[in-house]
Amino acid sequence: DSGVTQTPKHLITATGQRVTLRCSPRSGDLSVYWYQQSLDQGLQFLIQYYNGEERAKGNILERFSAQQFPDLHSELNLSSLELGDSALYFCASSSPGEGTAGNTIYFGEGSWLTVV
Amino acid sequence: GQSLEQPSEVTAVEGAIVQINCTYQTSGFYGLSWYQQHDGGAPTFLSYNALDGLEETGRFSSFLSRSDSYGYLLLQELQMKDSASYFCAVYSWGKLQFGAGTQVVVTP
Repeated sequence: DSGVTQTPKHLITATGQRVTLRCSPRSGDLSVYWYQQSLDQGLQFLIQYYNGEERAKGNILERFSAQQFPDLHSELNLSSLELGDSALYFCASSSPGEGTAGNTIYFGEGSWLTVV
Repeated sequence: GQSLEQPSEVTAVEGAIVQINCTYQTSGFYGLSWYQQHDGGAPTFLSYNALDGLEETGRFSSFLSRSDSYGYLLLQELQMKDSASYFCAVYSWGKLQFGAGTQVVVTP
């Protein structure tokens, strides 16, 4: 158990709908990362937050948005869902000193999203 | 831009040694990381190289050559439980980017 908690674990929704994925980082971690992993694909970096502020942005679609709250939990909002958005969405966290050099980030178990 | 290349699949028998190569093209390079992911599971950190050379952690070792933009993960004394996907990742300009992953299949 990495200490990173993601909810929900599984989600099935229809095209055009909107969902919110939630992530609680490890205690003490200030950075939160979101990754998307489609079937048999690598991990695509979406976005990173550090202590509430957006720090880095990857290939995140305009239909997707995220934020990190004062209690450091983060939410990833996916709207106008398409079939191709079906994927495993991972949240990860790191503490100051880690992650900033890419050496260690800790992943949650992921949220499986199926769009039908 | 940024890219990482690693083989898609490697098959080996129990007890063997496997080397997974990773070449990268990136600017603002800090270091090369390796992560392991079992089917449907969370990626877990294996190793990190910021400087040239070999880092050894038990049966796993990782190597980096910054001048060649190349690294590898060496898995020794392969066990069935090592069957998983292995990802190299580079940290560059504030983003930790992963390669497509190498599926390691260990056979009896």
